[in-house]
Amino acid sequence: QKEVEQNSGPLSVPEGAIASLNCTYSDRGSQSFFWYRQYSGKSPELIMFIYSNGDKEDGRFTAQLNKASQYVSLLIRDSQPSDSATYLCAVKIPGGYQKVTFGTGTKLQVIP
Amino acid sequence: NAGVMQNPRHLVRRRGQEARLRCSPMKGHSHVYWYRQLPEEGLKFMVYLQKENIIDESGMPKERFSAEFPKEGPSILRIQQVVRGDSAAYFCASSLSSGSLKETQYFGPGTRLLVL
Repeated sequence: QKEVEQNSGPLSVPEGAIASLNCTYSDRGSQSFFWYRQYSGKSPELIMFIYSNGDKEDGRFTAQLNKASQYVSLLIRDSQPSDSATYLCAVKIPGGYQKVTFGTGTKLQVIP
Repeated sequence: NAGVMQNPRHLVRRRGQEARLRCSPMKGHSHVYWYRQLPEEGLKFMVYLQKENIIDESGMPKERFSAEFPKEGPSILRIQQVVRGDSAAYFCASSLSSGSLKETQYFGPGTRLLVL
């Protein structure tokens, strides 16, 4: 089992819809979770982090964390074509220095 | 520009040559991480360094690859005798510390290595 798993997609949503991106992790002790956006040919850019159960909202983005079920999700409201990118889930694995492990990413396509 | 800097942005090498990739962390950051990303694949952790110390090199290939982060100057990822399979994007990230739950890694623009 991979430490951090994401559906590779592509996930296609129409403009204006809600995009829902999911991520599961294997280590129950994980405590910090991050979402990065990566445009094609560019470097990852941090969007949000969350470390408490529940929802965290920032503009059109909402991160949801459920530690009991070991999943974290990212909702993008009012999706725009400019949101089309690959979204990487990252998890801090507890240990000596809290290593960050990345999922392989979900490719999102927002259709105008 | 206080962001993470990497150079060169693009590097072309022939098989058997050496590649040197440089990374200057964000101002005030002393923790550096190197990742490799193959086309259409995820980020693969390679090595984590603090000033003058390698903390975790579990993702580094055992041969041909080495990394350093000297007291002065940028972190260097060195690939000796490159092969075509080394062609990838190499990203450097930095953080202020590594122990905080909220501490995040910030990425540089990457170096695209092409081995001919």
